[in-house]
Formats: sequence, structure tokens, C-alpha cells
Amino acid sequence: GENVEQHPSTLSVQEGDSAVIKCTYSDSASNYFPWYKQELGKGPQLIIDIRSNVGEKKDQRIAVTLNKTAKHFSLHITETQPEDSAVYFCAASPQIPNTGNQFYFGTGTSLTVIP
Amino acid sequence: NAGVTQTPKFQVLKTGQSMTLQCAQDMNHEYMSWYRQDPGMGLRLIHYSVGAGITDQGEVPNGYNVSRSTTEDFPLRLLSAAPSQTSVYFCASSYSWGDTQYFGPGTRLTVL
Repeated sequence: GENVEQHPSTLSVQEGDSAVIKCTYSDSASNYFPWYKQELGKGPQLIIDIRSNVGEKKDQRIAVTLNKTAKHFSLHITETQPEDSAVYFCAASPQIPNTGNQFYFGTGTSLTVIP
Repeated sequence: NAGVTQTPKFQVLKTGQSMTLQCAQDMNHEYMSWYRQDPGMGLRLIHYSVGAGITDQGEVPNGYNVSRSTTEDFPLRLLSAAPSQTSVYFCASSYSWGDTQYFGPGTRLTVL
């Protein structure tokens, strides 16, 4: 099955700086890569996603890049703010029709933005 | 829309007890899933369903049962609770196999 590794496990940045979180995956059949933000006591919430036919996607201060050849994808947060502090999870999914949404998650990155 | 709801929010069980974690969604989503979240291990898929009457096993199904009699509900049953099942459980749903997955607020379960 798929194996997703995520680094770093913890990350502290000064407010206004950029934060980068990296994930690797093992299964070349994976073609959908979402990123989730989880605040304390809440369920994960999708913040951005990318599919295998796209190399980069951006949404305001958040961007995701995908390198299919190397099997890695990254989350970039620019101009970080204290409210960006949370745990971030990457995931990979083969997205094969009619076989269900089998998502494989990374182990999470705890991001702290220092005011 | 309430989205994905889960009950209870917290539960303490003794080893060997059984219980059902409830999950419901009001978005008419076909796909629903159960995950457990343990420290340092991310979220792991327990069971999932691609529609009413259809369920399948995920990565860590042992000790859990599911059924899907309606589109809205997807309960998770612990048959005989064990301390290894102490975890936070999340239910998630999506409209289709390529769509955004929405998570519930979670149930924190402790098995003594």
C-alpha cells in the first residue's frame, strides 16, 4: 500500500516568514494530494489540493507543488500569521473510480507562528 | 447544513465493553469513511463506504464493524473494546471519489 512521509514534525517561524512542509509518497498510482489544517480539538479541514496533472497550485498565501517523478509534494505558506498555527497533514490517494476514497496521511507537522 | 456530525464527543469504556460511534452527514454525500488518529501516526483509515449498502475495509479494520443502511448515517461499532483502541476517531464524507473530504469534529475514546 501507499506510504506517505511528512517532514518536519514541528516547525516554528516568525510572523511574516514563509513555512514549507514536505511530503513524499511511494505509490505511483496516487494522483490526488490534499493538504489539511487541524486546529486543536477540531477535525481536519481541507486547505488546498493538487492533482497529478498539475505541477503547482496557489490560493492566496498558500501554494502546493508536486513533483511526480520524484514522488514528492510540498506546502508553502507565505507571510505567515499567528492564526496559521495548527497541525498540517498531507495525504495521497489513488482516486480509482468506484473503489472508494482511500486516503493515506502523513504524520503531521505542528506549525507555530511566533508573533 | 450541519455538515458531518459525530456523537459522542468523549467516551470512556472498560475493556470488553461494546459501543457505537455515530456519524451523520446532511450533504447527500455518497462516500463516507472512518479514521483513527493516534499521536505521531497521522490518520489511518478504518472502514469506508461508497454508498448505502456498500462498505469495505481500510488500513486498520480489526476490532471494528460498520454498516451503511442509509446515505446519511455511517456508525462505527466496537465489538469488544481494548486499550489499543484508545484514540480520536474521525468520520469524513465526500460527494464522490474525486471530491473534497469533509471531516466531523471527532470522538475522543479512552478504553481502560
